[in-house]
Amino acid sequence: KAGVTQTPRYLIKTRGQQVTLSCSPISGHRSVSWYQQTPGQGLQFLFEYFSETQRNKGNFPGRFSGRQFSNSRSEMNVSTLELGDSALYLCASSLGQGTWDGELFFGEGSRLTVL
Amino acid sequence: GENVEQHPSTLSVQEGDSAVIKCTYSDSASNYFPWYKQELGKRPQLIIDIRSNVGEKKDQRIAVTLNKTAKHFSLHITETQPEDSAVYFCAAPARNKFYFGSGTKLNVKP
Repeated sequence: KAGVTQTPRYLIKTRGQQVTLSCSPISGHRSVSWYQQTPGQGLQFLFEYFSETQRNKGNFPGRFSGRQFSNSRSEMNVSTLELGDSALYLCASSLGQGTWDGELFFGEGSRLTVL
Repeated sequence: GENVEQHPSTLSVQEGDSAVIKCTYSDSASNYFPWYKQELGKRPQLIIDIRSNVGEKKDQRIAVTLNKTAKHFSLHITETQPEDSAVYFCAAPARNKFYFGSGTKLNVKP
């Protein structure tokens, strides 16, 4: 079974631009969640989608958004990029029958650098 | 994360010794407590988890204990090996969000 795939793996943007990251979950997994990982703040929860609906949301500003498609693939978008958005963005998939009750399978992440 | 406190931030042990990492959580409704291991440059992977209806769970050299009254849970690694060197994260759900601890960098010296 293929693992969680994230694209692109690396990208460089400048302040004010926007970025879209993609995540393909493990086949059969319906829940996709996103996390921001930085050296200073650790792993922070962005949002979680299940069956194309945002089921949970973290404490990030509205510049961070996401969506999930009918095939469970998910995208997250960050608009009006700021220097502080530089981070590794991880997505994770799970069977997701219940909320937060099973193993998260992480992708390798998309490393975003904002100049 | 603000709802999960993890200590220590770094831990250095000699090979063969035990390592203990502790986390506290604030939401008494939390009912699922996983531990993830992240090796340098790699993705986090689940190593063990515990649900609120049990107090302890073991898997070979790894164990997790949960004290619901005190709202804390701990990861115990016995007979540590160099390959245990990594960053370990605890996590817990709270009010429909999922919080990770700030991580513990474990260094096992050969």
